[in-house]
Amino acid sequence: EVQLVESGGGLVQPGGSLRLSCAASGFTFSSYEMNWVRQAPGKGLEWLSYISSSGGTIYYADSVKGRFTISRDNAKNSLYLQVNSLRAEDTAVYYCARLSLTMVQSSDYWGQGTLVTVSS
Amino acid sequence: QSALTQPASVSGSPGQSITISCTGTSSDVGGYNYVSWYQQHPGKAPKLMIYEVSNRLSGVSNRFSGSKSGNTASLTISGLQAEDEADYYCSSYTSSSTVVFGGGTKLTVL
Repeated sequence: EVQLVESGGGLVQPGGSLRLSCAASGFTFSSYEMNWVRQAPGKGLEWLSYISSSGGTIYYADSVKGRFTISRDNAKNSLYLQVNSLRAEDTAVYYCARLSLTMVQSSDYWGQGTLVTVSS
Repeated sequence: QSALTQPASVSGSPGQSITISCTGTSSDVGGYNYVSWYQQHPGKAPKLMIYEVSNRLSGVSNRFSGSKSGNTASLTISGLQAEDEADYYCSSYTSSSTVVFGGGTKLTVL
């Protein structure tokens, strides 16, 4: 069974940092491209970042470029998102999502999300 | 990258059909057949329903269908059922190799 489990969220002060993790299981993680997507409370989905299966190609949304860093460790079946210089508007549930191998540019599995709250 | 434009809410009675639009630009929706639709129930993760504009994920009811004309994609749900009540999001690949979501549409089944 495909599973994606995010962790690392929590309460952080403005300007602070967190490292979000996404543990993958039930599939060959190293074969799949991955995305991070977030959802502010009561708001819509916002795509944040993409990483290729090897980690060699990365893209970011303009809203987080320079503050967030996506990475992966295929040996550990894990995806990461380093989030720095956090602002109140970064408060959201952060999801990792797997890009389908056959359905182009579609995320076929999502984790349950991890909540990041930025507040003093 | 601006969010794709979706109506904030739509509603319909059981058995009726509704259509949710998703308007972008020639740099995203209009430029690629890579529009997806996701369903999200409260407190749950999004669930992929439609991919590549009009293809239903295996197991998704054939009451759900997708289409595209120019810069606007659409999701149609026919024979509305109570369990269809949820938020729906479109997404598109973009010319910048990024992804953009719509603002989301809340579907209410009356």
